[in-house]
Amino acid sequence: DAMVIQNPRYQVTQFGKPVTLSCSQTLNHNVMYWYQQKSSQAPKLLFHYYDKDFNNEADTPDNFQSRRPNTSFCFLDIRSPGLGDAAMYLCATSRGSYQPQHFGDGTRLSIL
Amino acid sequence: KQEVTQIPAALSVPEGENLVLNCSFTDSAIYNLQWFRQDPGKGLTSLLLIQSSQREQTSGRLNASLDKSSGRSTLYIAASQPGDSATYLCAVKSAGGTSYGKLTFGQGTILTVHP
Repeated sequence: DAMVIQNPRYQVTQFGKPVTLSCSQTLNHNVMYWYQQKSSQAPKLLFHYYDKDFNNEADTPDNFQSRRPNTSFCFLDIRSPGLGDAAMYLCATSRGSYQPQHFGDGTRLSIL
Repeated sequence: KQEVTQIPAALSVPEGENLVLNCSFTDSAIYNLQWFRQDPGKGLTSLLLIQSSQREQTSGRLNASLDKSSGRSTLYIAASQPGDSATYLCAVKSAGGTSYGKLTFGQGTILTVHP
């Protein structure tokens, strides 16, 4: 089945130690999104790629970066994780900006 | 800036009941509205998407309605089952303002259906 796959499902890192989360998709969608969801809160958009064009949200911390080497893969890099970055990170894709977004199962990030 | 509110925050019902979840949004300039389900520790599963020109969408026991002018949507679940227990999120894709092109989520309704 075509899908959005996030690896790993659970990630533990140390305070200040860089971490990378990955997302891959077999849907061949041209738009990929990264959301941060803290406990009992709504998902918050961090940034998205429309094809190769990167779109950063104004309030996304500089600590968060993203790479999209090809259509299928997108990475979220957190350069120096703080305790406040512990959250579920959700990847989503869509065909164009106005079609339904399809989500992966997320990566739960814990900071020690 | 688009804001989405969901009421109630939590709902507990016995199996078999029909129930309604409510979603309201502040800016009626939207492209579409999407209802998601989220199980604990999991990602989001899309349930229904209503385009701005549509009034409702149905899938099995689920029916979602949209009143764009009043900024409201409802998700109706018929004959609820324990397997329906999850958090239900409403999200709107904005067509104007500072939220243009973005998907704005509500906080969700936590649904528990007990046998």
